[in-house]
Amino acid sequence: EAQVTQNPRYLITVTGKKLTVTCSQNMNHEYMSWYRQDPGLGLRQIYYSMNVEVTDKGDVPEGYKVSRKEKRNFPLILESPSPNQTSLYFCASTPTSAGYTGELFFGEGSRLTVL
Amino acid sequence: GENVEQHPSTLSVQEGDSAVIKCTYSDSASNYFPWYKQELGKGPQLIIDIRSNVGEKKDQRIAVTLNKTAKHFSLHITETQPEDSAVYFCAASIQSGTYKYIFGTGTRLKVLA
Repeated sequence: EAQVTQNPRYLITVTGKKLTVTCSQNMNHEYMSWYRQDPGLGLRQIYYSMNVEVTDKGDVPEGYKVSRKEKRNFPLILESPSPNQTSLYFCASTPTSAGYTGELFFGEGSRLTVL
Repeated sequence: GENVEQHPSTLSVQEGDSAVIKCTYSDSASNYFPWYKQELGKGPQLIIDIRSNVGEKKDQRIAVTLNKTAKHFSLHITETQPEDSAVYFCAASIQSGTYKYIFGTGTRLKVLA
């Protein structure tokens, strides 16, 4: 089944404790991206990657890091989480080599609480 | 900066009635407008989209209209069913040929049986 898989789905952590949210897609998509969803703010892009070893900042990158060493994986790293990073996080991917379609394929989300 | 306003934030309709969700965008260069449906506990899923060279697009019970002059686009759901209950997000592309979008703030639709 074609899908974007995120782990963990739920996490409660404490301020300053480094954590990584993994994202993996099995559709051979070139483009991957991370979003956070907060009430009243919709979806905001954190980082994106056009392909392996190519990453760039989105609209709200502060406090986050990413890496793209393999085409299928795009982990989101919070080096020193703070309570304002409590949010629902989504990873998404889309193919680019077959021409522009625009559709993003989202994972099921990771709900993170930072105490 | 670019933004997308979405209204209403919540919408309740009786089963069988129609629902309309409206969005306004600010970037005149936007040329792609997708709508995503997010069911409880799931990620957003594309349900319909429209490009700037088209004024209306329909897929069974859902349709999207675009008014480029006014920078408005709307989602129309007819004959609503309980399974249409979800959060709906509109979005607008902000850089041609890229995958950067500005999302609206979402509309929670409740279809009452």
